[in-house]
Amino acid sequence: GENVEQHPSTLSVQEGDSAVIKCTYSDSASNYFPWYKQELGKGPQLIIDIRSNVGEKKDQRIAVTLNKTAKHFSLHITETQPEDSAVYFCAASLNQAGTALIFGKGTTLSVSS
Amino acid sequence: AAGVIQSPRHLIKEKRETATLKCYPIPRHDTVYWYQQGPGQDPQFLISFYEKMQSDKGSIPDRFSAQQFSDYHSELNMSSLELGDSALYFCASSLVGQANIQYFGAGTRLSVL
Repeated sequence: GENVEQHPSTLSVQEGDSAVIKCTYSDSASNYFPWYKQELGKGPQLIIDIRSNVGEKKDQRIAVTLNKTAKHFSLHITETQPEDSAVYFCAASLNQAGTALIFGKGTTLSVSS
Repeated sequence: AAGVIQSPRHLIKEKRETATLKCYPIPRHDTVYWYQQGPGQDPQFLISFYEKMQSDKGSIPDRFSAQQFSDYHSELNMSSLELGDSALYFCASSLVGQANIQYFGAGTRLSVL
């Protein structure tokens, strides 16, 4: 089955810096890669996703890149703000409704002002 | 916009008791998913349903069962509760025409004493 590894487990940056979180997946059949932000006591919130037919996707300060050959995908947050502090999870799955999301172990991002 | 509604938000049970968690998907969404998240861990997929039929199955214990009803809401039934079942339980929903974009509810925190 699919296995997703995520690094780093913790990341501390200064406000205004960039943050990068990296994930690798094992199943070459996976073709959908979402990123979720989870704040304390809340459910995971989808922040951006990418499908395997696209190499990069950007939404304001957030971007995701995908390297299918290497089975790597990364989340890039620019101009970080204190409110970006949260746990971020990457996930991999088939791009088909009803299928499980397999999550990485999460990255705790702390942005200090 | 309407989100995934889960009830109850908190639940305290004794060992060997039963619990029922409810999930109301986003209006018009037809697929529901259940995930379990232990403290400091990533969400683990339990089971999913589309049009009342099981769609995918993960690491759901035999003591747990779930179903989806004709109005698309879902219930997770947990019997013979164990201390290790204490966790956050998330429901997510998606619309089959939107592939595997899953939106999560706020979760039910189950504590087994």
